[in-house]
Amino acid sequence: DAKTTQPNSMESNEEEPVHLPCNHSTISGTDYIHWYRQLPSQGPEYVIHGLTSNVNNRMASLAIAEDRKSSTLILHRATLRDAAVYYCILRSLAGGTSYGKLTFGQGTILTVHP
Amino acid sequence: EAGVAQSPRYKIIEKRQSVAFWCNPISGHATLYWYQQILGQGPKLLIQFQNNGVVDDSQLPKDRFSAERLKGVDSTLKIQPAKLEDSAVYLCASSPSLGADTKNIQYFGAGTRLSVL
Repeated sequence: DAKTTQPNSMESNEEEPVHLPCNHSTISGTDYIHWYRQLPSQGPEYVIHGLTSNVNNRMASLAIAEDRKSSTLILHRATLRDAAVYYCILRSLAGGTSYGKLTFGQGTILTVHP
Repeated sequence: EAGVAQSPRYKIIEKRQSVAFWCNPISGHATLYWYQQILGQGPKLLIQFQNNGVVDDSQLPKDRFSAERLKGVDSTLKIQPAKLEDSAVYLCASSPSLGADTKNIQYFGAGTRLSVL
């Protein structure tokens, strides 16, 4: 499975933007970049995903490097409720045992200060 | 829309005892997943069902873990006998289908926290 590398932890202040980086140098052309987050005592929840172009939704923005070897999840204005573990995951569209699966790493623990 | 329901939320057992977890996926979702999340780690896929058939159980410790999804809806995960290292959160997730279509995201339940003493 293609691997991702994320910082173990990051900190932010409330109402400031947060940029969460992810490296995926071995990404293949059939891999989508997915982000999930896990709030304390809850299961993971979907945040956003993309293939090549930058993506925006109501929760966040995803900026994808031109060579697709890295991406950045952007929270435009962090709130205390955004404190969570953020997982960057490559989801394969290719056939085989990895098809469609989510393989979680350790993620980035985001702390938001009031 | 109701989310993925799991019960119980917490379970404490002694080693060598048996335990079962229950999951009710989102209505109409064909694919169901069980994950194990050990403290400080990301979730690890144990088994994946498509309707009532197993798609992948390569990471399920089959000597002690079993899972079933009768009638392609609810699912149960059982551990018999439990070991200390089985202490973890067991997460259930569902998705509309098996594929990796861009809209086929996974929805997770809150999980069952198991402590084996």
